[in-house]
Amino acid sequence: AQSVSQHNHHVILSEAASLELGCNYSYGGTVNLFWYVQYPGQHLQLLLKYFSGDPLVKGIKGFEAEFIKSKFSFNLRKPSVQWSDTAEYFCAVKLPYNTDKLIFGTGTRLQVFP
Amino acid sequence: DGGITQSPKYLFRKEGQNVTLSCEQNLNHDAMYWYRQDPGQGLRLIYYSQIVNDFQKGDIAEGYSVSREKKESFPLTVTSAQKNPTAFYLCASSPDRNQPQHFGDGTRLSIL
Repeated sequence: AQSVSQHNHHVILSEAASLELGCNYSYGGTVNLFWYVQYPGQHLQLLLKYFSGDPLVKGIKGFEAEFIKSKFSFNLRKPSVQWSDTAEYFCAVKLPYNTDKLIFGTGTRLQVFP
Repeated sequence: DGGITQSPKYLFRKEGQNVTLSCEQNLNHDAMYWYRQDPGQGLRLIYYSQIVNDFQKGDIAEGYSVSREKKESFPLTVTSAQKNPTAFYLCASSPDRNQPQHFGDGTRLSIL
C-alpha cells in the first residue's frame, strides 16, 4: 500500500534554530506533494505544494521544501524558526492514478521555545 | 469570508446512537471530503464527493454514511455500526480533484 512516512514525531527547538522535517513516500511514479500545518486551535492550512517544475518549493511564512525524486523525499525546511511556528505539520501525497485521495503522514509536532 | 463551517465543534454520543456531523462550504467547490484524525495516525479518508449526488468510499468508510444533495453541504453520519467513533473529524473541499484541499475547524466526537 502507498504510504507517507514522517519520521520525526515530536521536535523541540529554540527560537532561531533551523528546522528540517522529514517526509518520505512509497510510490515510485509522479506524485503531487503537500505540506499542511495545523496551529493550536486552528484548521489545517496549506503551507506549500509541489506539482511539477522546480523541485525547491517556497511556501508561506518562510517555509520551503525540496522534492528529491531519487530519495522519494519532500523535506520541509525553515532557516530560523519562531515561537509562532509551534504547530503540527503534515506531509501529504496525491497519486496520479487516484487524484481524489490525499495520503497523509502521521504528523510532526513542533514546539518552539523562546 | 469564504470558508468551510463544521458544526458542532464538540459532540457527544451515547452507545447505539447515530449522529450527524455538519459540513457547509461557501467556496463554490465541487469536491468535498471527510477525514478522521486519530492521535499518531494522521488523517484517514472516510468518504469523498466530486459532484452533487455522487460520493465514493474512502479507506475507512465502514460505519459511516454521507449524502451530497447540495453543492454546499456534505453531512457525515456516524452510525452505531462504527465501533470506535471517538475521534476528531475534519471536512475539506477543493475546486476539483487536482487542486489543494481546504479544511474546516473540525468536530470532536466523544462517546458517553
